[in-house]
Amino acid sequence: NAGVTQTPKFQVLKTGQSMTLQCAQDMNHEYMSWYRQDPGMGLRLIHYSVGAGITDQGEVPNGYNVSRSTTEDFPLRLLSAAPSQTSVYFCASIRQGNTEAFFGQGTRLTVV
Amino acid sequence: AQRVTQPEKLLSVFKGAPVELKCNYSYSGSPELFWYVQYSRQRLQLLLRHISRESIKGFTADLNKGETSFHLKKPFAQEEDSAMYYCALLTGGGNKLTFGTGTQLKVEL
Repeated sequence: NAGVTQTPKFQVLKTGQSMTLQCAQDMNHEYMSWYRQDPGMGLRLIHYSVGAGITDQGEVPNGYNVSRSTTEDFPLRLLSAAPSQTSVYFCASIRQGNTEAFFGQGTRLTVV
Repeated sequence: AQRVTQPEKLLSVFKGAPVELKCNYSYSGSPELFWYVQYSRQRLQLLLRHISRESIKGFTADLNKGETSFHLKKPFAQEEDSAMYYCALLTGGGNKLTFGTGTQLKVEL
């Protein structure tokens, strides 16, 4: 199993550009989520999903969209990138009934 | 709303010294608490969970509901323990993790 895979690992965007951060897991986990990691602020939940076709907002959802068309994939879309979205983004998955979260390796995004 | 507080951004100890990383939580329900660790250039991974009451890499953590705390302890720090440690609370029926702000542990020789 590859676990949770995120692409790309690094990205530089100009203000106003849009892009999609990819997240895929091959463990058949029901729950998936996106976090951003900022110095001094820990990990904050952006969006999460409890299954295909179901998504919900987390703590800091503004400026981001998600969809969950399959169990495996949970892409995060930045609609119009802003410098405040410069961060490291982590995707995670959890098997229903279990409690351990598995994380991707992260995507370091810089918006200039 | 739930909240996890880690008061120390940085904790620096000497090798062989005891370590205690503090974590306090606020949650109206029955808490499920975890410690996650991120070593340099690696992804976050689970270190331990309160429900297992286990010792991993010499670390232990006891849930104290009276003090709403879940401090991480190790009697003798090792150089390889240097990492970022996050305390986390699982809610939402098991699908939402709320993280603290993290504590960077630095073990000096």
